[in-house]
Amino acid sequence: EVQMVESGGGLVQPGGSLRLSCEVSGFTFRNYWLSWVRQTPGKGLEWVANIKEDGSEKQYVDSVKGRFTISRDNAKNSLYLEMSSLRVEDAAIYYCARDQSDSNTPAIFDYWGQGVLVAVSS
Amino acid sequence: QLVLTQSPSASASLGASVRLTCTVTSAHSTFPIAWLQQHSGRGPRFLMKINNDGSHNKGDGIPDRFSGSGSGAARYLTISSLQSEDEADYYCQTSKVFGGGTKLTVL
Repeated sequence: EVQMVESGGGLVQPGGSLRLSCEVSGFTFRNYWLSWVRQTPGKGLEWVANIKEDGSEKQYVDSVKGRFTISRDNAKNSLYLEMSSLRVEDAAIYYCARDQSDSNTPAIFDYWGQGVLVAVSS
Repeated sequence: QLVLTQSPSASASLGASVRLTCTVTSAHSTFPIAWLQQHSGRGPRFLMKINNDGSHNKGDGIPDRFSGSGSGAARYLTISSLQSEDEADYYCQTSKVFGGGTKLTVL
């Protein structure tokens, strides 16, 4: 059974930092691109960042470039999202998701975690 | 620019069938799309992938009541024999883009 479990969320002040983790089991972690996706009531689902199987390629949505860093540890079956200079508009539920596609085909997210809440407020 | 368009809401009676639509921008009509189901307070669940030829591949444990098809830029999710637990939000997704979601009410 595939499990993706996020942790590390919480309440942080604007300008603060937070590190999200996603622990994975049930599939060969090192064989898949992985993404972080966030959800807010007003904006729906929004892709945030992704990382290649070996960590050699990373992509980000423009609004988080320079502030968020995605990484992975294939030995620990874990995905991370380092968030800094957090803004009120970063508040959301953050999900980790597996991409079943390869580098040459459009991403299809076929497994998701339960999500972790990030609140940004003074 | 890739855009996925969904109707905000849909409703159907218990035991009936409903078809939800996701329309892809014409320039991306060859892209496969995923249908996702999300119950309130839960993470999204992958239902199926629909290819541009209309063929589909379901996720683990997805009942036969759920089926998919496609025509041109449109991708469809059909749910037959509606049950109360089918009341949820349904999203389509491809590449790094999501549709706005359809809220399905089971009457």
